[in-house]
Amino acid sequence: QSALTQPASVSGSPGQSITISCTGTSSDVGDYNSVSWYQQHPGKAPKLMIYDVSNRPSGISNRFSGSKSGNTASLTISGLQADDEADYYCSSYTRSRPYVFGTGTKVTVL
Amino acid sequence: EVQLVESGGGLVQPGGSLRLSCAASGFTFSLYSMNWVRQAPGKGPEWVSYISSSSTTIYYADSVKGRFTISRDNAKNSLYLQMNSLRAEDTAVYYCARVHRIEVAGDYWGQGTLVTASS
Repeated sequence: QSALTQPASVSGSPGQSITISCTGTSSDVGDYNSVSWYQQHPGKAPKLMIYDVSNRPSGISNRFSGSKSGNTASLTISGLQADDEADYYCSSYTRSRPYVFGTGTKVTVL
Repeated sequence: EVQLVESGGGLVQPGGSLRLSCAASGFTFSLYSMNWVRQAPGKGPEWVSYISSSSTTIYYADSVKGRFTISRDNAKNSLYLQMNSLRAEDTAVYYCARVHRIEVAGDYWGQGTLVTASS
């Protein structure tokens, strides 16, 4: 089973909104409302930003939002800030193995 | 505050063994399932293994099945990963992650420990 497909990079200016896509299949993203998003700064551990497609853990800014349509999930970051510059990974629960991760997207704040 | 601290990584020759540990604090360890997830240099995370709170349910990725063994000691608030027959492709940072619900790979992650399998 292949990794979920994400764009390699997305960029935006401070204050703008950006959207990162995460494309899977009917066996993972399309089969469950169990898509998560993780933020990872260089040399740091992944941090859970979104779970169950659109839910934010306690303490996560409402500038981060998630959605899903068919086999593609999306993460939107609004009001882009310098500290949002990081790698972002999606993950989906799957029937065949518990988890599949995305290829990763580097977000650059211009 | 939830804390997960991995240890035990290092340089090992292909075919060798290592045992990773993850010390948990700040939550009731015995109530949570746990995952090991690895990340090769410049790559995305890859799930390795899952263990339920009472060790009754264990899963492995196909890439490590038969070579890696996950275990835990709830009395010591610790999670382990015994890695045998290591290969070059096992080189990665290994993270332990707390599992709040099985559908989410980890709500809290440790800082990771680097395993390098190279001659």
